[in-house]
Amino acid sequence: GDSVTQTEGLVTLTKGLPVMLNCTYQTTYSPFLFWYVQHLNEAPKLLLKSSTDNKRTEHQGFYATLHKSSSSFHLQKSSVQLSDSALYFCALGTGGYKVVFGSGTRLLVSP
Amino acid sequence: NSKVIQTPRYLVKGQGQKAKMRCIPEKGHPVVFWYQQNKNNEFKFLINFQNQEVLQQIDMTEKRFSAECPSNSPCSLEIQSSEAGDSALYLCASSWTGAFYAEQFFGPGTRLTVL
Repeated sequence: GDSVTQTEGLVTLTKGLPVMLNCTYQTTYSPFLFWYVQHLNEAPKLLLKSSTDNKRTEHQGFYATLHKSSSSFHLQKSSVQLSDSALYFCALGTGGYKVVFGSGTRLLVSP
Repeated sequence: NSKVIQTPRYLVKGQGQKAKMRCIPEKGHPVVFWYQQNKNNEFKFLINFQNQEVLQQIDMTEKRFSAECPSNSPCSLEIQSSEAGDSALYLCASSWTGAFYAEQFFGPGTRLTVL
């Protein structure tokens, strides 16, 4: 069946450094990928989405490129801030009414 | 700020008790999703509705879980007989469509603790 894999459970970084959070997926259908961010005690909210192969999509300093050849949609930022500390979820939509979420990566940014 | 309203924010029940939580979707969104987020932050899809009709639900929901989205009333998710394993954050999300490519707008969740 359809699945999403986020390999890092926890990423800790110092402010100002670059980050890449991994997301790979598995599906036999044409994929639609999302990144959601969930700050502590807040609702998850959409950060990025894409269905276009090899096109970079950006929002609030974060960016990701869907690569269908490698089934990946890694999230990146060139310089993390303290306010970026949160849970990040990669999600896959492949048809019908259901979206499959990854297990999440917690990003902790220290001063 | 989230425009999806979930009540209560926290719910504590004993094993075997009923647990009911409510969700008001964002205005104009006909589709509502319910997810269970466990202590490992994993999302489990439970059920979704378009207006008052069920689109999809998992087997677990069909047994102890019930949900509805009546017209002109909040949507609700009820666990008939709570078990310790039901302790989780229950997230409601809404969307303008249930299609797989649509953004979902989440509420802050109801944190259920079953003692």
